[in-house]
Amino acid sequence: ETGVTQTPRHLVMGMTNKKSLKCEQHLGHNAMYWYKQSAKKPLELMFVYSLEERVENNSVPSRFSPECPNSSHLFLHLHTLQPEDSALYLCASSQSGSSAEAFFGQGTRLTVV
Amino acid sequence: AQKITQTQPGMFVQEKEAVTLDCTYDTSDQSYGLFWYKQPSSGEMIFLIYQGSYDEQNATEGRYSLNFQKARKSANLVISASQLGDSAMYFCAMREGGPQGGKLIFGQGTELSVKP
Repeated sequence: ETGVTQTPRHLVMGMTNKKSLKCEQHLGHNAMYWYKQSAKKPLELMFVYSLEERVENNSVPSRFSPECPNSSHLFLHLHTLQPEDSALYLCASSQSGSSAEAFFGQGTRLTVV
Repeated sequence: AQKITQTQPGMFVQEKEAVTLDCTYDTSDQSYGLFWYKQPSSGEMIFLIYQGSYDEQNATEGRYSLNFQKARKSANLVISASQLGDSAMYFCAMREGGPQGGKLIFGQGTELSVKP
């Protein structure tokens, strides 16, 4: 059982669709992250929220839009995606500080058709 | 800028033997943390072990130990007595210090296969 829950686990969407990925943590952490993991590639950090403020945006295309309404919830809104956006999207949370490990959700496997 | 490098795309080890997975890093910060994660085929990321930049002793967690060589900027993971269930992707990661916690960045990963 994980303290970080992601929904949905699998998502297939067309290039003209709009969908959202949801992440929820019950660990009392104050930082949340979105990562993208494509096949045969390392995890790419997309966004970091600390104390509900976005503190990192790694040049992610605007078709990905994050939202952090409170410290327990993180969303990734998707619109007009491309096939190359198909990947595993992982959410993580942690306490701030260099010694704090991040806890990950089980990921959303996204396929863009 | 911080950087993590794992140079072994794949490794094989015989069951019950020990294996070392390499990780080197680069940072200009004095305060940072190093982490190892395991990712089975199911996709979830499982935290294994942590080493702080100021820790003088190598971290150990059960069968996992971290061979921390600060001057060489290396943080290799040693798995003792390998088990079939250890077959997975292994990622080294680093977080620099700072008031907002800093980014947690990952290396390219090493795919470990344990042979019976």
